[in-house]
Amino acid sequence: DAKTTQPTSMDCAEGRAANLPCNHSTISGNEYVYWYRQIHSQGPQYIIHGLKNNETNEMASLIITEDRKSSTLILPHATLRDTAVYYCIVRYLNAGNNRKLIWGLGTSLAVNP
Amino acid sequence: EPEVTQTPSHQVTQMGQEVILRCVPISNHLYFYWYRQILGQKVEFLVSFYNNEISEKSEIFDDQFSVERPDGSNFTLKIRSTKLEDSAMYFCASSGGVDYQPQHFGDGTRLSIL
Repeated sequence: DAKTTQPTSMDCAEGRAANLPCNHSTISGNEYVYWYRQIHSQGPQYIIHGLKNNETNEMASLIITEDRKSSTLILPHATLRDTAVYYCIVRYLNAGNNRKLIWGLGTSLAVNP
Repeated sequence: EPEVTQTPSHQVTQMGQEVILRCVPISNHLYFYWYRQILGQKVEFLVSFYNNEISEKSEIFDDQFSVERPDGSNFTLKIRSTKLEDSAMYFCASSGGVDYQPQHFGDGTRLSIL
């Protein structure tokens, strides 16, 4: 089972920041947090990942709490094309060649005009 | 930006027939994966492949499934005798050699079993 919990759905106004929360209260020291999204039935798209520091790239920012038990994905200026299902996944590192991702149901984000 | 490509985008097959789904991973990646997603359900891990052998597989990946990297670029998933319940989107992914590097996915093959 997935080690994360996310809200089922969220709405956001176009042009506003979308803040998607994720709870991973049982995370261990060797586990990274990954965010993906899936637009309609396309393949999952990698967004960002982090261990304990906040991260930013051209797509989004990832804020991880100091205790690492939760994180927030921030899309700074959401557009209609950001409407998708967003997945937060925790994966254990130092797992040798066992690198599977375990998926939950994610958060369905609707960006409204 | 390099990407994972999958062919065909849609495959329709009669139940009991063999099907091969093809993937071209990102060229310098070392780890390769297959996942599937039945309509309306979660994405499920099937198998991972490294150094020309399966490194991990799920319970779904039974004797009817096999994977192969026949040359330096392609990665294939074969289903020997398809069942109705094999109808799903099948996603190929690849990742680099460093453990924390993310997996990158193709756009999938929609497999429809009649």
